Amino acid sequence: GENVEQHPSTLSVQEGDSAVIKCTYSDSASNYFPWYKQELGKGPQLIIDIRSNVGEKKDQRIAVTLNKTAKHFSLHITETQPEDSAVYFCAASKGNNRLAFGKGNQVVVIP
Amino acid sequence: DGGITQSPKYLFRKEGQNVTLSCEQNLNHDAMYWYRQDPGQGLRLIYYSQIVNDFQKGDIAEGYSVSREKKESFPLTVTSAQKNPTAFYLCASSMGYGKITGNEQFFGPGTRLTVL
Repeated sequence: GENVEQHPSTLSVQEGDSAVIKCTYSDSASNYFPWYKQELGKGPQLIIDIRSNVGEKKDQRIAVTLNKTAKHFSLHITETQPEDSAVYFCAASKGNNRLAFGKGNQVVVIP
Repeated sequence: DGGITQSPKYLFRKEGQNVTLSCEQNLNHDAMYWYRQDPGQGLRLIYYSQIVNDFQKGDIAEGYSVSREKKESFPLTVTSAQKNPTAFYLCASSMGYGKITGNEQFFGPGTRLTVL
């Protein structure tokens, strides 16, 4: 089955700096790649997603890039704020409604 | 106010007891899912249902059971056969297979189950 890996496991950034989290996937048939943000004790919240027919998608301070050849996709957060501190999960799907999740990245924004 | 609700938020049970976790959605979604989350781990799929009266095992279905009698509801029973049931359980829903935005899964707030 699909194997999704996230790096780094923990990322600390100064407020105002950018944060980048990278995920790799194993199945070249995967065509949908969402990113979720999870705050402590809460359910994951979908923050952005990308499909395999585009290389980049942006929504305000958040962007996702996809490299199908290398089988990796990245989450970019610009101008980080304390409220961006959370665990971020990437996932991949072949369009069958089953998502394979990475193990998550803890992002800490230092004021 | 549309969304996914899970109840209760915290649940305590004695070892050897079955327990049922509730999940309700009013998003008119066809598909529903149950995931298990352990500390420092990603989400692992327990069961999913693409349509009413149908469901399939996920990656870690042993010791769990589900039913899908209504579109809005997808309860999960953690049975005494589950060897390590203490975890954070998350329910999700999506429009469903074949729909344009069917991949997008939306999560409930979760239920933290502790078996004593």
